[in-house]
Amino acid sequence: NAGVTQTPKFQVLKTGQSMTLQCAQDMNHEYMSWYRQDPGMGLRLIHYSVGAGITDQGEVPNGYNVSRSTTEDFPLRLLSAAPSQTSVYFCATRTGRQPQHFGDGTRLSIL
Amino acid sequence: SQQGEEDPQALSIQEGENATMNCSYKTSINNLQWYRQNSGRGLVHLILIRSNEREKHSGRLRVTLDTSKKSSSLLITASRAADTASYFCATDATETSGSRLTFGEGTQLTVNP
Repeated sequence: NAGVTQTPKFQVLKTGQSMTLQCAQDMNHEYMSWYRQDPGMGLRLIHYSVGAGITDQGEVPNGYNVSRSTTEDFPLRLLSAAPSQTSVYFCATRTGRQPQHFGDGTRLSIL
Repeated sequence: SQQGEEDPQALSIQEGENATMNCSYKTSINNLQWYRQNSGRGLVHLILIRSNEREKHSGRLRVTLDTSKKSSSLLITASRAADTASYFCATDATETSGSRLTFGEGTQLTVNP
């Protein structure tokens, strides 16, 4: 039982490049979310999904796309990377109003 | 803007002392949760308190919730060096469905051996 798996763990991009951060879960949780964490700050919600085929925007959605074709996977796409998107990205899942389960994060640097 | 605001931003204590962290929020909530984050890792859930509860215990953790003041506190008793981490509160608002937890900025706790 792996819980929430995020890949890659580290990534360096050049400005303007695109990439996809992967998140996979094996707990059959209906809710999945993407957060970014910047130094000295809490987590800010980027996008979330309440089930397969359903996604919605969070607090800071600009520059990111998501899709949820299966219960297990919730990829986050950076369309054209900008230095302001340098951050640590966390994927989280939950069921009902239970606590969230977090992955270990993807550390992304954009040059 | 962040729903939760925590204070202090940083706290340094000696092993064996108690640590208290506070969280304030702005809107009505369904529940409030506390998470811990070790350096370089994801967040780990510690304790959840519902809006109709005033106090909850889990091991060395004690959480209080005052909905009239829109505030919560996390007390860690008899702290250990291994408690060194960042601690975040997160609110689950009643107005929203789905997974919209809102996190505070966190308190960095350092427990000195």
